[in-house]
Amino acid sequence: DIQMTQSPSTLSASVGDRVTITCRASQSISSWLAWYQQKPGKAPNLLIYQASNLESGVPSRFSGSGSGTEFTLTISSLQPDDFATYYCQHYNSYPLTFGGGTKVGI
Amino acid sequence: EVQLVESGGDLVQPGGSLRLSCAASGFTFSDHYMDWVRQAPGKGLEWVGRTRNKANSYTTQYAASVKGRFTISRDDSKNSLYLQMNSLETEDTAVYYCARGSQYSTNWYIDYWGLGTLVTVSS
Repeated sequence: DIQMTQSPSTLSASVGDRVTITCRASQSISSWLAWYQQKPGKAPNLLIYQASNLESGVPSRFSGSGSGTEFTLTISSLQPDDFATYYCQHYNSYPLTFGGGTKVGI
Repeated sequence: EVQLVESGGDLVQPGGSLRLSCAASGFTFSDHYMDWVRQAPGKGLEWVGRTRNKANSYTTQYAASVKGRFTISRDDSKNSLYLQMNSLETEDTAVYYCARGSQYSTNWYIDYWGLGTLVTVSS
């Protein structure tokens, strides 16, 4: 199974900050990676697919990059609505697996 | 508008069974792969399994933690997805999400999620 490791697990930031979250795969997954945002008590919401493709309707301050085993999610200017937990997930092979999550708080 | 609505979550004793349902609307259900993903209280996301579409013979894939105990099925005529859970363990306690898979090139990623239904396994 492919293990996905996110760092950091928690992150303290302020409105307007540039935020970067890293996701590492235990083996190459090409660009088969998605990023999700989840707020407490809510379902996850797709932000990025194929490592760098912005899902329709997602603000352009979100961006993704990387390929192979190392990936990043960047929020260019953190907004109040962005305080949430972020997950990466690969879809290279089965089983699909998620990273452990990164909680972005104040 | 894509909508996925889960139902069937309940309190069940260890060793018991439960069947979850997911009603889909707002898209051509039969074209898509469909997944179940779960989240234990206060924990991260865990992929449970997937059913492919008719074009791919409705084949299924499962996480090792549920293989042999859980079965995913679908009824395209009813736009519905199901998760039959047998031999439930306390570790299966979680919110279960129904999710839609969409294709990019040769692979399928999850793009929409339902609101989830809570399964509690406890004596």
